[in-house]
Order: sequence, then structure tokens, then C-alpha cells
Amino acid sequence: DIQMTQSPASLSASLGETVTIECRASEDIYNGLAWYQQKPGKSPQLLIYNANSLHTGVPSRFSGSGSGTQYSLKINSLQSEDVASYFCQQYYDYPWTFGGGTKLELK
Amino acid sequence: EVQLQESGPGLVKPSQSLSLTCSVTGYSITSNYWGWIRKFPGNKMEWMGYISYSGSTSYNPSLKSRISITRDTSKNQFFLQLNSVTTEDTATYYCARSWDYFDYWGQGVMVTVSS
Repeated sequence: DIQMTQSPASLSASLGETVTIECRASEDIYNGLAWYQQKPGKSPQLLIYNANSLHTGVPSRFSGSGSGTQYSLKINSLQSEDVASYFCQQYYDYPWTFGGGTKLELK
Repeated sequence: EVQLQESGPGLVKPSQSLSLTCSVTGYSITSNYWGWIRKFPGNKMEWMGYISYSGSTSYNPSLKSRISITRDTSKNQFFLQLNSVTTEDTATYYCARSWDYFDYWGQGVMVTVSS
């Protein structure tokens, strides 16, 4: 199985700040990566797919980048509604696997 | 709008089978792939498997001997059965539409395995 190592596990940031979350795959996943946001008590919401494609309706302050084994999610100008958990998922190879998640809080 | 809704018992006894239904509205399950994902206490997420538009299935090898995903196209529903459950199967179970990634998710159903 491809292991997805996500960092940091938790993050505290101020409104307006830029935040970056990283995901490292145990092998090359050729941009087969998605990012999700999950707010407490809610289902996950797709943010990014194919490593850098913004899902319909997602604010442009979210962006994804990376290649090979290293990927990142960047949130520009952090808003209060961005407080949530974020996790990555690789779908390059079966079984599809997820990162351990990052909990983002306001400072 | 695509909507998914999980249903099923919230409590299952050890060694019994867990059975969940995902009801889909706004889109036919004869298109795309339809998956089950679970989130454990402590937040680890696990892809369990999917059923395709044609009815073929793919399962996580970690579950392969215990899992079955089926469908009823006349009701636009698909189903999860997980056999011989233990307390380690306690989790929130989600159904989702899949293109490889998951773009529409149900609200989730919490299932506790306990005697």
C-alpha cells in the first residue's frame, strides 16, 4: 500500500495568514492526489483533485501543488470558515489511501 | 444536485454483519463509481471499496474476505455488508461518488460495534 504522511498534524494560524499543509507519498503517485476539508459534524468536501485542479465552487484562496511524492495544499488569506480538518488521498494505486489529517485552528 | 444518504443500524454486535444502504438522488448509479469510506475514532480514514457503473467491484485487500458491495439500480441504491465485525470496525461510515477522488459524500453514519 502507498503510505501518505501528512504534516503537520495540527496547525494554529491567524486570520489573513497563509497556511501550507504537506502530504508525502511513500512512492511516486503521478499527481493522483486529492485534498478534502472536513468541518466538525460534517462530511468531507472535495477541494483539489489531480494535485492542482480546483473543484467547482471552491474559493480560489485554496490551491494545490506538487509532484512525485511531495504535495501541498495552500490556503491564502485564512478565513474563519477555513477552520476544519484537512486530509489528502492518493488514487494513483489501489488501495486508495488517505493521509492522517491536519487540524487547522485559529490563533 | 447529487445527494447521498447513508442508513442502517448504529449498533452491531461483535461477530455479526454490518449492513448499510446508500440512497442516491440526482444522479444515476449506472454512471461513475460509488464507494464506501470509513473514519475511525482518532481520524484515520480508510477506503473500503466501490461498485462501478457496470456493477463490478473493487475492495481494499485489508477487508477482502469480509466485504461485499452490491446495488439495486431500480432504487438507485448501493449497499455495504461487512461480515464478522469486531470492535475495531467501530467508525463513521460514508458513501460517496467516485471518479477516483470523491466529489459527493453522504453525511455519514456512526456505527458502534459492541455487545
